[in-house]
Amino acid sequence: DAGVIQSPRHEVTEMGQEVTLRCKPISGHNSLFWYRQTMMRGLELLIYFNNNVPIDDSGMPEDRFSAKMPNASFSTLKIQPSEPRDSAVYFCASSFQDVTETQYFGPGTRLLVL
Amino acid sequence: ILNVEQSPQSLHVQEGDSTNFTCSFPSSNFYALHWYRWETAKSPEALFVMTLNGDEKKKGRISATLNTKEGYSYLYIKGSQPEDSATYLCAWDRSNDYKLSFGAGTTVTVRA
Repeated sequence: DAGVIQSPRHEVTEMGQEVTLRCKPISGHNSLFWYRQTMMRGLELLIYFNNNVPIDDSGMPEDRFSAKMPNASFSTLKIQPSEPRDSAVYFCASSFQDVTETQYFGPGTRLLVL
Repeated sequence: ILNVEQSPQSLHVQEGDSTNFTCSFPSSNFYALHWYRWETAKSPEALFVMTLNGDEKKKGRISATLNTKEGYSYLYIKGSQPEDSATYLCAWDRSNDYKLSFGAGTTVTVRA
């Protein structure tokens, strides 16, 4: 099993540019989570999907952030326009809704907005 | 606002010594408590999931206990080794809503 796959692993962009982060969950998992890690706030949940449907997006910072899950094997997190304060590591995680609900994390995308 | 608290924030331990640290969480609407191990430049890896009051889980030299009535969990590392150096995150899972609320973590540094 390849685990959760994220791309790109690193992204450097200029303020105002659009950034798209991608995630492929573990096959068979039916929940997908986007997290952001910062020094100030730790690991915070941005949005999560269950069976491709967004369930809770209350953690999305503002309208500049959007996420989609067009099918069970792919999700994107888009920032448009990007700002320097968006610089962080973005993790995608997936889980299978059994009794444990263990989440499996991808390697993360380290984003730097200049 | 983190309603899951971990203490201490960091600790240093000599190789061979044992250590433990705490995760506190709301005792209401409890479903499960997760522990993750997060090494620098890697992603969090699941260690334990505990659901029942009094649960004890063990994985090698690492073990955890759970008290759901008072809302805390302890993680223990016995005979610490340098490879145990990592940030240990706990996450509170409330009432099966699929979401995990993570604590800020306890960063353990094992000195050789």
